[in-house]
Amino acid sequence: SAVISQKPSRDICQRGTSLTIQCQVDSQVTMMFWYRQQPGQSLTLIATANQGSEATYESGFVIDKFPISRPNLTFSTLTVSNMSPEDSSIYLCSGGTGNYEQYFGPGTRLTVT
Amino acid sequence: AQSVAQPEDQVNVAEGNPLTVKCTYSVSGNPYLFWYVQYPNRGLQFLLKYITGDNLVKGSYGFEAEFNKSQTSFHLKKPSALVSDSALYFCAVRAFTGGGNKLTFGTGTQLKVEL
Repeated sequence: SAVISQKPSRDICQRGTSLTIQCQVDSQVTMMFWYRQQPGQSLTLIATANQGSEATYESGFVIDKFPISRPNLTFSTLTVSNMSPEDSSIYLCSGGTGNYEQYFGPGTRLTVT
Repeated sequence: AQSVAQPEDQVNVAEGNPLTVKCTYSVSGNPYLFWYVQYPNRGLQFLLKYITGDNLVKGSYGFEAEFNKSQTSFHLKKPSALVSDSALYFCAVRAFTGGGNKLTFGTGTQLKVEL
């Protein structure tokens, strides 16, 4: 299995500020993704992080609110911009491998006050 | 569009009894199906997958799942449940489209195994 790490593991932020979440994957990963999960609920795909180019966003998510970078194969960042309490959630990074499997990081628990 | 349904929000099982967590899917073309488990305050852990071949797939921790094309189902099973199996289980489907490796998740089923 692939190893995925994220930081920070949790944060409490004030509305109007921004938080950048980092994700590091091991070399088995070819694709990287960012998801959002309300505690105890399902996952919603935010975007696919593309190496060296703009991320591919899902319906309902925009680059201005969730800018994503992937400067190389094994590292990506997700920024949650101009936060409001509605952005309080768990943000998960995942990596896809060549055998169709996706592995997930431990998540970043964000609370916006 | 692809979708996954997990009809049960919660499944309760006595330890030692068999368990089943249900999943049905809708996708164009051949489905790639997955089960994940999530323990409290943890990320998702990969359990097993169906890509092609034998309809019964075996995964981690003694879990298995049966792919049924006619019923578009992919139920998760375990012959003998353990208290430590108590967790949130997600079924996911991927269709091999131009969009690549995009997974769609079900709403999750909370499994509670009691002594």
